Amino acid sequence: NAGVTQTPKFQVLKTGQSMTLQCAQDMNHEYMSWYRQDPGMGLRLIHYSVGAGITDQGEVPNGYNVSRSTTEDFPLRLLSAAPSQTSVYFCASRKGLAGGVLSRDTQYFGPGTRLTVL
Amino acid sequence: AQTVTQSQPEMSVQEAETVTLSCTYDTSESDYYLFWYKQPPSRQMILVIRQEAYKQQNATENRFSVNFQKAAKSFSLKISDSQLGDAAMYFCAYRSAHNDMRFGAGTRLTVKP
Repeated sequence: NAGVTQTPKFQVLKTGQSMTLQCAQDMNHEYMSWYRQDPGMGLRLIHYSVGAGITDQGEVPNGYNVSRSTTEDFPLRLLSAAPSQTSVYFCASRKGLAGGVLSRDTQYFGPGTRLTVL
Repeated sequence: AQTVTQSQPEMSVQEAETVTLSCTYDTSESDYYLFWYKQPPSRQMILVIRQEAYKQQNATENRFSVNFQKAAKSFSLKISDSQLGDAAMYFCAYRSAHNDMRFGAGTRLTVKP
């Protein structure tokens, strides 16, 4: 298994440009999520999905869109990049059950994408 | 909303010594998990140890152990016999039945030879 993969590893954008960060997993995990990591703030949840066709907002969703058309893929879209979106982005996945059942499964993280918006 | 606080931005330990990293959290839920993740310069997030809130026994993984105080909402990580490879950022994290994960701001651990 490749685990959780992210592309690209690095990206530089100009303000107002759009782009999609790709995330894929080959472990048949239902739950996938996107985080951003800023200095001194740890990781903050942007969006998450508990299964194909289902997405929801996390702590900091503004400026980002997601979709989940397949179990394997969970792309993150920046429609109009802003300098405040300069960050390191992590995708993660795990087996997960909706409906309030606490999953004990390990969460796996991708290698991260470093995004700079000028 | 749940919050996770790591009050030590930086810590330093001598090789082969023991160091304890602190973490406190705030929640009104009774069922949850707590985690410690290690992030080396490669940026990869590596799970170090996990604690289920319903378990009274503290989790242990080789040189890593936790001191889980549920009533005090405290979850510290003890690293024994510190090694140079332990140098990294360490993040404390909380996850509830609603599946989202909250992270602390991190503690940068330096190991001196």
